Parts: sequence; structure tokens; C-alpha cells
Amino acid sequence: QKEVEQDPGPLSVPEGAIVSLNCTYSNSAFQYFMWYRQYSRKGPELLMYTYSSGNKEDGRFTAQVDKSSKYISLFIRDSQPSDSATYLCAMSENDYKLSFGAGTTVTVRA
Amino acid sequence: GAGVSQTPSNKVTEKGKYVELRCDPISGHTALYWYRQSLGQGPEFLIYFQGTGAADDSGLPNDRFFAVRPEGSVSTLKIQRTERGDSAVYLCASSLQGGGHEQYFGPGTRLTVT
Repeated sequence: QKEVEQDPGPLSVPEGAIVSLNCTYSNSAFQYFMWYRQYSRKGPELLMYTYSSGNKEDGRFTAQVDKSSKYISLFIRDSQPSDSATYLCAMSENDYKLSFGAGTTVTVRA
Repeated sequence: GAGVSQTPSNKVTEKGKYVELRCDPISGHTALYWYRQSLGQGPEFLIYFQGTGAADDSGLPNDRFFAVRPEGSVSTLKIQRTERGDSAVYLCASSLQGGGHEQYFGPGTRLTVT
């Protein structure tokens, strides 16, 4: 079993819809949680970072961490075609060695 | 400003050959990381440098893989006796301070071993 599980999708939504993404993990020592966006043939780009449990909002993006359930989520409101990408969750015990999920491919249809 | 750059962008090599992959981090970033991303998977940690020294190389898969950062800036990932299973995108990232969570990734080097 992988340390970080993420449904690869693909996920297709109409423009303006809310995109909901999530990951589960098994290592209770993880305390840093991140979401990255990766366009085709590009490197991952950091979207959101959360330390320990709780919610964080940044513009159209909301990240949630529930350490008791070992479950993290990312919500994208008012989705745009430019949001079409692969979204990767990542987490870490320390603050340097990241463990990534496999990524969820999202398509936002105009 | 300039981001993390990696060269070459693509590398095709024959099984058994030696390859070197280069990473130029963001200027002033003291921490540097190498990851490997196979098709349809997330990146996997290989090694972390703080300055010139490898602070954690626990992700290197075997002794065919080696990385250096002699002057604390540019890093080279070296793979000896390449195997077809080494085919992947090799990503480099850097961060401002040691262990900083905001890792900025380069575009990667796509390695294909034939």
C-alpha cells in the first residue's frame, strides 16, 4: 500500500463548477501538507501549504487537513479552463522530504 | 527572476551508458532537491542538499545513482550503467533555506533509456 493515496481521475467538470480533490495517507507523522499543480511537460507548482490540521483559503482555492482521519482536500471554486492540469498532493514529516500522491488529472470544459 | 533550470530537457541513451543531468537552482537558494517522476506517478524523493553536502540521500535507489553539488549552487545527478527502468522525468527543486517547504521545481529532464 502506498504511503499517499490519490485518485488519478480523470475528473471533468464544466466551467464555473467546484472542483473537489482529496488524498488519504497512512503515516501519522506527516505534519506538512501541500498541493501542487502540474501542467503537461512542466514542473510542479506550489498552490497551497498547510501545517498540521485546519483550513486555509487563498483566492479560489481552499485546502483542508484532517489529521485524525488522515485525509486532505483541495477545493477550487469558479473553475476555469486554465485550471485544467494535474493536481498533486504532497506531505512531509520534516519540511524537506516530500511524499507525493499520484496526481489527479482535471479538465475544466468551457 | 529566473527559475530553476535543468539541462538537457531531453536525453536519450542506450542501456549501460553513463548520463549526467544538471540543475541550476534559483540564485541564493541554499537547499536543493532531486526527485524522479515516472509516467502517471507523483515525484519520488531522491536526495536533498543543504549547501554542498547531501543532508539526506535515502531516496537514491541504488549505488548507480550519485549526485554532487561541489560549490553549493549547481548540482549534477549522475547515473551509471543505465537501465531501461531508469527512464523517467528527473526533477530538481530548490528552496531559500534548508528544509524550506516552498520548493520551486524546474521543468525536469526527460530521460529515456533504450
